Amino acid sequence: AQSVAQPEDQVNVAEGNPLTVKCTYSVSGNPYLFWYVQYPNRGLQFLLKYITGDNLVKGSYGFEAEFNKSQTSFHLKKPSALVSDSALYFCAVRGDNDMRFGAGTRLTVKP
Amino acid sequence: EPEVTQTPSHQVTQMGQEVILRCVPISNHLYFYWYRQILGQKVEFLVSFYNNEISEKSEIFDDQFSVERPDGSNFTLKIRSTKLEDSAMYFCASSPPGDIQLKEQYFGPGTRLTVT
Repeated sequence: AQSVAQPEDQVNVAEGNPLTVKCTYSVSGNPYLFWYVQYPNRGLQFLLKYITGDNLVKGSYGFEAEFNKSQTSFHLKKPSALVSDSALYFCAVRGDNDMRFGAGTRLTVKP
Repeated sequence: EPEVTQTPSHQVTQMGQEVILRCVPISNHLYFYWYRQILGQKVEFLVSFYNNEISEKSEIFDDQFSVERPDGSNFTLKIRSTKLEDSAMYFCASSPPGDIQLKEQYFGPGTRLTVT
């Protein structure tokens, strides 16, 4: 069965510093991986996805993610964090007819 | 930009009552989903729906739950006899036509269901 794991409940970074939110996956077959962000009292917003091709995927709001097949990881990154990036981030993997989400990582960016 | 809408934003109901949560997916989308998120916890898949039938459902989606697309625009989730543990945020999502596995899902803002 497809699954993802987010090993960190919470990530704290200072504004202007690079950020990484970690995700590892377990799939049978090709991995179709996604990142979503959830702001308070809002639904999930799509950030980026990896289907095939370049291992570095660029998405919305300056975020990018690196697909690493040998480490079965798909970490979300941003070179310079903003206070407005503070939110809950979910990694997800596509199943046959559903989307399986990780437990989420709360990112806090401090001024 | 088109978006998924959900009504109501907050529903309070008594245990044992039936509730219907409503969603209007993006108009040209063909795949529809319901998820729930218990406060502060992970997002859990409930059911997917395509071509007027359920494609897949999770173990959470028992006989108390049903989905329907009563017309060309609405997609509803019904809980027949609510329990306290059904209290959660319920998200509707839809995705466009094409290879379903490659398409991201677009989420609505959610309905917060509180069962008392």
